[in-house]
Amino acid sequence: DIRLTQSPSFLSASVGDRVTITCRASQGISNYLAWYQQKPGKAPKLLIYAASTLQGGVPSRFSGSGSGTEFILTISGLQPEDFATYYCQHLNSPIYSFGQGTKLEIK
Amino acid sequence: QVQLVESGGGVVQPGRSLRLSCAAAGYTFTSHGMHWVRQAPGKGLEWVAVISYDGSNTYYADSVKGRFTISRDNSKNTLYLQMNSLRAEDTAVYYCAKNQGGWDVTTSGSDYWGQGTLVTVSS
Repeated sequence: DIRLTQSPSFLSASVGDRVTITCRASQGISNYLAWYQQKPGKAPKLLIYAASTLQGGVPSRFSGSGSGTEFILTISGLQPEDFATYYCQHLNSPIYSFGQGTKLEIK
Repeated sequence: QVQLVESGGGVVQPGRSLRLSCAAAGYTFTSHGMHWVRQAPGKGLEWVAVISYDGSNTYYADSVKGRFTISRDNSKNTLYLQMNSLRAEDTAVYYCAKNQGGWDVTTSGSDYWGQGTLVTVSS
């Protein structure tokens, strides 16, 4: 099975900062990767799919890149509402595993 | 407006069974695959199972294979998760989620999620 490992697990940053979160796959998965944002007590929200395609309605400060085994989520110009937990997910069958999550906290 | 509403959660003893439901509205249910995803208290997301748009294909995480069954009734726009032989480690909030892509496309992520239903396995 494909395993996804996110780094870092915790990230402290300030409003206005640019941050990056990495997701590494245990084997090549082409661009079959999504990124989600989750806030406490809420369902996850799709941000990016196909590694770099921004979901409709998601601010352009979010971007994704990568292919194969290494993927990056970048948030340029952090806003207060961006402090949340972020997950990557493998999108090709038969197993749709998630990374362990990265909690982004306010410094 | 797309809506996914889970129900059926509750407290159940280890070894017993429970069936979750997810009622879908606001889109063509029969055209999209569906997932169950769970989240144990204070933990990350864990993918549980997926079913194709027509119910012909299903896949499961190793942690639930042989104990859980995902199914759908397209005449009722409803997704199900039958959970048997429940264990303490199955305690979690269970979310249903819709594939954004239609038919067998799963590579566009899950664009709508329910609010979740809590399952607690405890004696």
